[in-house]
Amino acid sequence: GQNIDQPTEMTATEGAIVQINCTYQTSGFNGLFWYQQHAGEAPTFLSYNVLDGLEEKGRFSSFLSRSKGYSYLLLKELQMKDSASYLCAVRDLNDYKLSFGAGTTVTVRA
Amino acid sequence: DGGITQSPKYLFRKEGQNVTLSCEQNLNHDAMYWYRQDPGQGLRLIYYSQIVNDFQKGDIAEGYSVSREKKESFPLTVTSAQKNPTAFYLCASSTFRQTEQYFGPGTRLTVT
Repeated sequence: GQNIDQPTEMTATEGAIVQINCTYQTSGFNGLFWYQQHAGEAPTFLSYNVLDGLEEKGRFSSFLSRSKGYSYLLLKELQMKDSASYLCAVRDLNDYKLSFGAGTTVTVRA
Repeated sequence: DGGITQSPKYLFRKEGQNVTLSCEQNLNHDAMYWYRQDPGQGLRLIYYSQIVNDFQKGDIAEGYSVSREKKESFPLTVTSAQKNPTAFYLCASSTFRQTEQYFGPGTRLTVT
């Protein structure tokens, strides 16, 4: 099974940087995903890490350390539209199912 | 346009009634999934199907049933046996072993 932890809420100022941490314990790891979800809407894919290191995609970057069971999502140059919930999800090695954390609600203030 | 559709967006039912939520995809994906989301919680897997005519229970399958008679369709029935059916239900699909799942817009079910 999977046990995934991430902070419940974070607040930051427009133009700033925010880092959302995710720790996990898993019986079989086959990749970590980050999704963005605006209130009442479907999650949308942001990033995928399966090897250690940093993946950069525009203003968003995601980091993975498999030995530490740790990932973070870095949001740079925050905009008001980045106010959303960010979900960390781990994929199981054996059946490819995703297990999701409870999500981190990020509020961007002017 | 390829994508996943769920209907209806909002659904209201009386306690004791079964209700079926629709999920259709035209992405030619093999795998389809149903999740439930409650306020302040992450997505929890109800059922998933990796191939037509086959499906597996997820973490919270009790009180739910599914069918996968066609590749494009994966309807979810919320039965009267589900103790707390009011929730936001999300359907997703992916090619088998693909890196990401694509989500439909969701159905918000309210049972009173």
